[in-house]
Amino acid sequence: DGGITQSPKYLFRKEGQNVTLSCEQNLNHDAMYWYRQDPGQGLRLIYYSQIVNDFQKGDIAEGYSVSREKKESFPLTVTSAQKNPTAFYLCASRPSLVYNEQFFGPGTRLTVL
Amino acid sequence: KNQVEQSPQSLIILEGKNCTLQCNYTVSPFSNLRWYKQDTGRGPVSLTIMTFSENTKSNGRYTATLDADTKQSSLHITASQLSDSASYICVVSNDKIIFGKGTRLHILP
Repeated sequence: DGGITQSPKYLFRKEGQNVTLSCEQNLNHDAMYWYRQDPGQGLRLIYYSQIVNDFQKGDIAEGYSVSREKKESFPLTVTSAQKNPTAFYLCASRPSLVYNEQFFGPGTRLTVL
Repeated sequence: KNQVEQSPQSLIILEGKNCTLQCNYTVSPFSNLRWYKQDTGRGPVSLTIMTFSENTKSNGRYTATLDADTKQSSLHITASQLSDSASYICVVSNDKIIFGKGTRLHILP
């Protein structure tokens, strides 16, 4: 999975609890992304970060929060405000804005009970 | 509106047969088009990337074509194997990255 790790692979939480998904990369990539994938749908962008200490909302940011305190790390918090949090979450990184290929992590499947 | 449409939604073929997956896009301006393979429960992995001037590109048994005039791409898989069972995602980029919904391919023994 190209030097990008996500943990845990499976995560179960009770409704109403916040949960944080980890994403780490050792590729020295500038940009990092969080996507959500639901059955029968394309990947939808939650948040992205092009440099440390800066991030932008994607298409479905409501109910999520992120931080980018280090270049290697881009954790995603799924808050209780997210109405349908059960999904497969993918983290990706990209060397620079000039280079278009994204490298994906293995994903975290979040199930809210 | 920038969109990427893939067809068919799902496809079942016998091991050893060939198949072709389609991708039509309305993204403009166009930078490049990439095909990803995603195994169940895993992250997508890049198969090919094509820029505006490229018509075809191969990666082993995978061959991608691009017609930038009609805004269509195809991914042809030759002599399919059981390990080809996966989702195949077409992604078109300009200053944004736009994902298709994917084609789910099942290879039967």
